[in-house]
Amino acid sequence: DTAVSQTPKYLVTQMGNDKSIKCEQNLGHDTMYWYKQDSKKFLKIMFSYNNKELIINETVPNRFSPKSPDKAHLNLHINSLELGDSAVYFCASSPTTGAAQHFGDGTRLSIL
Amino acid sequence: QQQVKQSPQSLIVQKGGISIINCAYENTAFDYFPWYQQFPGKGPALLIAIRPDVSEKKEGRFTISFNKSAKQFSLHIMDSQPGDSATYFCAAPYSPDSAGNKLTFGGGTRVLVKP
Repeated sequence: DTAVSQTPKYLVTQMGNDKSIKCEQNLGHDTMYWYKQDSKKFLKIMFSYNNKELIINETVPNRFSPKSPDKAHLNLHINSLELGDSAVYFCASSPTTGAAQHFGDGTRLSIL
Repeated sequence: QQQVKQSPQSLIVQKGGISIINCAYENTAFDYFPWYQQFPGKGPALLIAIRPDVSEKKEGRFTISFNKSAKQFSLHIMDSQPGDSATYFCAAPYSPDSAGNKLTFGGGTRVLVKP
């Protein structure tokens, strides 16, 4: 009965590869987010979707492309991975007008 | 762009003591100030939140104090327990429009409660 689930939990890959992270929420929320947490624990928003529509797109390299097939799913595809992409990526969701965001347990991405 | 400054970066407190974490924000067009708790290997979880029409909110051992004129809010953990050892984040929302909320997080405070 996990509310926000991400897969995979760990992702180890080489520089230059392309990878995807999947996220699903069963809370019935309209809004979903992707955050990046660096090695110093700093959390920064990357993207936000509301009802499959992109509403927040922070200054993120265009190698990162979110895709929302429906309002319960928000996937993150990353092209040409770089060393600096190593981080923990969190998916979150919230009601449209509510600020309480529910986070998944993260995907730890390690670039070799 | 909202900035949220959080202090201290880390905190060690004895069991039964009080942990105090402070945050300061810049912009005032917000109506919701949440605190998140994060355990190792887990995502942040909403702990407690306050709206600026009140100066204090208490939930169990956790209390938020809000000072609107100073643009500051703080988290107090009373009777701290080893199970409270975690990283705590304050946040302030910045909504460019009515759809969803963009949260700007403070830098986090790592709290260690010694038995």
